[in-house]
Amino acid sequence: DIQVTQSPSTLSASVGDRVTITCRASLSVGNWLAWYQQKPGKAPTLLIYKASSLESGVPSRFSGSGSGTEFTLTISSLQPDDFATYYCQQYNSYSTFGGGTKVEIK
Amino acid sequence: EVRLLESGGGLVQPGGSLRLSCAASEFTFSDFAMGWVRQAPGKGLEWVSTIYRGVGTTYYADVVKGRFSTSRDNSADTLFLQMDSLTIEDTAMYYCARAQTSRFWYFDLWGRGTQVSVSS
Repeated sequence: DIQVTQSPSTLSASVGDRVTITCRASLSVGNWLAWYQQKPGKAPTLLIYKASSLESGVPSRFSGSGSGTEFTLTISSLQPDDFATYYCQQYNSYSTFGGGTKVEIK
Repeated sequence: EVRLLESGGGLVQPGGSLRLSCAASEFTFSDFAMGWVRQAPGKGLEWVSTIYRGVGTTYYADVVKGRFSTSRDNSADTLFLQMDSLTIEDTAMYYCARAQTSRFWYFDLWGRGTQVSVSS
């Protein structure tokens, strides 16, 4: 099974900051990686698929990059609505989610 | 509005069974693979199962294989998850999600979830 590890597990940032979250896979997953945002008490929403493709309706301040075993989600200028938990998911071999990164207000 | 609505969750004793349903609206349900993802209290997301469109090939996470069964009724735009031999570790919010399949699947539309609690 492919394991997926996110870092950091918690991130403190301010509005306007550039934020980067890392996702590492135990084996190469090519570019078969997605990113999701989840707010407390709500279902996740898709942000990025195929490592760098922005889902329709998602603000352009979100971007994804990487391939193989290392990926990043970047928020170019953090907005108040972006404080949430972010998950990556590999789908090269079935499906595995990372443990999540909580973005908190600094 | 395109949406998914889960139902059927509740409190069940260890060893018991539950059947979850997920009703789809405003998209062509039969054109899509569908999945279940769960989230234990205070924990991360865990993929549970996926069912493809057409003949409905199913895939399961190892932790539920042999205990859970996913099916779909395309005439009723409804997805099901039959859960048997439930354990305390199955306690979670269960989300129904629409799957986009390429290599395997990612999920582009999620329901609000239904809570399953397993306790004696």
